[in-house]
Amino acid sequence: ETGVTQSPTHLIKTRGQQVTLRCSSQSGHNTVSWYQQALGQGPQFIFQYYREEENGRGNFPPRFSGLQFPNYSSELNVNALELDDSALYLCASSSPGVSGSREQYFGPGTRLTVT
Amino acid sequence: AQSVTQLGSHVSVSEGALVLLRCNYSSSVPPYLFWYVQYPNQGLQLLLKYTSAATLVKGINGFEAEFKKSETSFHLTKPSAHMSDAAEYFCAVGVLWTGANNLFFGTGTRLTVIP
Repeated sequence: ETGVTQSPTHLIKTRGQQVTLRCSSQSGHNTVSWYQQALGQGPQFIFQYYREEENGRGNFPPRFSGLQFPNYSSELNVNALELDDSALYLCASSSPGVSGSREQYFGPGTRLTVT
Repeated sequence: AQSVTQLGSHVSVSEGALVLLRCNYSSSVPPYLFWYVQYPNQGLQLLLKYTSAATLVKGINGFEAEFKKSETSFHLTKPSAHMSDAAEYFCAVGVLWTGANNLFFGTGTRLTVIP
C-alpha cells in the first residue's frame, strides 16, 4: 500500500511569485485535505477536495486554490506569495465518506520558504 | 466552536519514566479526538483516535489515551519512555466543518527523553 507522497520536498520562492505543490493520495482514498503548519504551530486546515470539488475551506484567502484530478491526486496553488506563507504544507488523504471520525493520513510535507 | 489546548509546549522525561501529555478540548458536538506524532522533518503519523466506542484507547508504540467527558480531556500516556519517543505530539479534534471532515490541532508538545 502506497502512502501519501508530496513534491517537491523543499521550495524557495520570492515574494509575489506563484507556487504549485503536489500530492498523491494513499491508495483507495478519494478525499484530500491541505494544511499549513507554520514554525512552532499546529497544522491549520486550508481546504479539502472530494470527487474533484472543493467541499470545505478554512480561513485562507482566495489566492490559495487547489485542484483534484480523476486519480485523486491534488495540487495546492498559492498566488502572490507573502513572507507569512513560509511554512510546511501538509497533504492528508482519507477514505471515502465525510465524517469527523475519518482518519487522515499525512504526507511528509513541502517546506516553502518565501524570501 | 472547536478547539484544542495542549498544556505544556515542552515536556522532558527520563528514559523509562511515565510519559503524560495533556490535551483539553472544546467542541459543540460529540468529539472525535486524535493524537498524532511528528518526527523532525517529517509529516504527521496517527498514534490513536477516539470515536466513542471506548473511553480508553490504545494506540501504536505503547501509547494510550483516556477520554474524560467530565474533564473535557484526552491525555496521552505511555508507561515507560523510550529514546525513540522524542518528537512533537499533536492533539486534534475531528469535526465536520464547512462541509469537510476537518482536524483542529493544538499547538503541540515537544517531548524530550533524557538518557
